[in-house]
Amino acid sequence: AQSVTQPDIHITVSEGASLELRCNYSYGATPYLFWYVQSPGQGLQLLLKYFSGDTLVQGIKGFEAEFKRSQSSFNLRKPSVHWSDAAEYFCAVGLYSGGGADGLTFGKGTHLIIQP
Amino acid sequence: NAGVTQTPKFQVLKTGQSMTLQCAQDMNHNSMYWYRQDPGMGLRLIYYSASEGTTDKGEVPNGYNVSRLNKREFSLRLESAAPSQTSVYFCASTSGTSNQPQHFGDGTRLSIL
Repeated sequence: AQSVTQPDIHITVSEGASLELRCNYSYGATPYLFWYVQSPGQGLQLLLKYFSGDTLVQGIKGFEAEFKRSQSSFNLRKPSVHWSDAAEYFCAVGLYSGGGADGLTFGKGTHLIIQP
Repeated sequence: NAGVTQTPKFQVLKTGQSMTLQCAQDMNHNSMYWYRQDPGMGLRLIYYSASEGTTDKGEVPNGYNVSRLNKREFSLRLESAAPSQTSVYFCASTSGTSNQPQHFGDGTRLSIL
């Protein structure tokens, strides 16, 4: 079964500083990879996704992520964070079985705190 | 532009009571999902419906049942609620016919006393 590891439970970054959130996955083939963001009391919003092709993907809100097959990683980055980026971030992997999309496997999340 | 709508948003139950969580999507998606979110656990898949007329168990199905009522609606039922089922429940949907991401509802916050 696939698994997703987000090693950092909490990360604190100063406003304006760069950000990298780590995600490692375990799966027999190349899965479909996603990053979602969740603000307090809200649902999950998709930041970006990787299915195939260019390993550097751009998302909304200035985020990007790089897929590295050799490291089984899909790390999320942002050059300069804003206070509004404070939220919970989830990495997820998915499988498309052909008969319909199976559910996603999520990491446990990284809580991002922005210092003024 | 509703997307995925979940009702109710909040609910408090007593142990042993039953309840059905409702989910509807207006995006003509084929696949629908129920997840639960617990502190420090991320989201875990309870059940999913890859297409109308089919349902399958996810990672944590015990204590739950589901019904894919039609293409739009996918309900989750707790027959005899237990305190361990206190959680935030999310419904999601995707087209399912191509590798599209899942769209999530705003969640149902369920407390079982």
